[in-house]
Amino acid sequence: NAGVTQTPKFRILKIGQSMTLQCTQDMNHNYMYWYRQDPGMGLKLIYYSVGAGITDKGEVPNGYNVSRSTTEDFPLRLELAAPSQTSVYFCASSPGTGGTQYFGPGTRLLVL
Amino acid sequence: SQKIEQNSEALNIQEGKTATLTCNYTNYSPAYLQWYRQDPGRGPVFLLLIRENEKEKRKERLKVTFDTTLKQSLFHITASQPADSATYLCAPPSAGNNRKLIWGLGTSLGVNP
Repeated sequence: NAGVTQTPKFRILKIGQSMTLQCTQDMNHNYMYWYRQDPGMGLKLIYYSVGAGITDKGEVPNGYNVSRSTTEDFPLRLELAAPSQTSVYFCASSPGTGGTQYFGPGTRLLVL
Repeated sequence: SQKIEQNSEALNIQEGKTATLTCNYTNYSPAYLQWYRQDPGRGPVFLLLIRENEKEKRKERLKVTFDTTLKQSLFHITASQPADSATYLCAPPSAGNNRKLIWGLGTSLGVNP
């Protein structure tokens, strides 16, 4: 039982490039989340999903896209990377409303 | 709008003492509140959940209280150890959409040997 896994661990992107951050959970959780955390700052919700085929925007969705075709996977797509997207990205999953959120190890992204 | 506030300044205490961290919320009344621990460079890890009808919850050396009158939750670590040094986050559900949590900025705790 690996929990929530994220790849890659670290990536450097050039301005304007695109990439997909991968997130997979093996706990059969319906809810999944993407957060970003800037240095010394709190977690900000980018997108979340309450089940396969259902996604919704969080606080800071601009510049990102998500899809949820399976219960296990919730990839986050960055189109046209900008320096403002330099951050640590965390994926989390939860069994449902009011449930504990289980976090992945994070992806550190640097956009230069 | 709903707001979560935690001690913004780092808390440094001596090993063996009790650490008390504060989480205040305004403009709404959450049905529950979760506490997480975050180590540098890692994702948060769940510690405790307390519901509005529970005044206190304990787990080993951890204790959480929930005062709905004061709109405040306190998080205590008794007999603190250097390994307890981390940032502690409180997270109640979002008002009107309990599928999401609202995250405080966290309080950094340092336990000195």
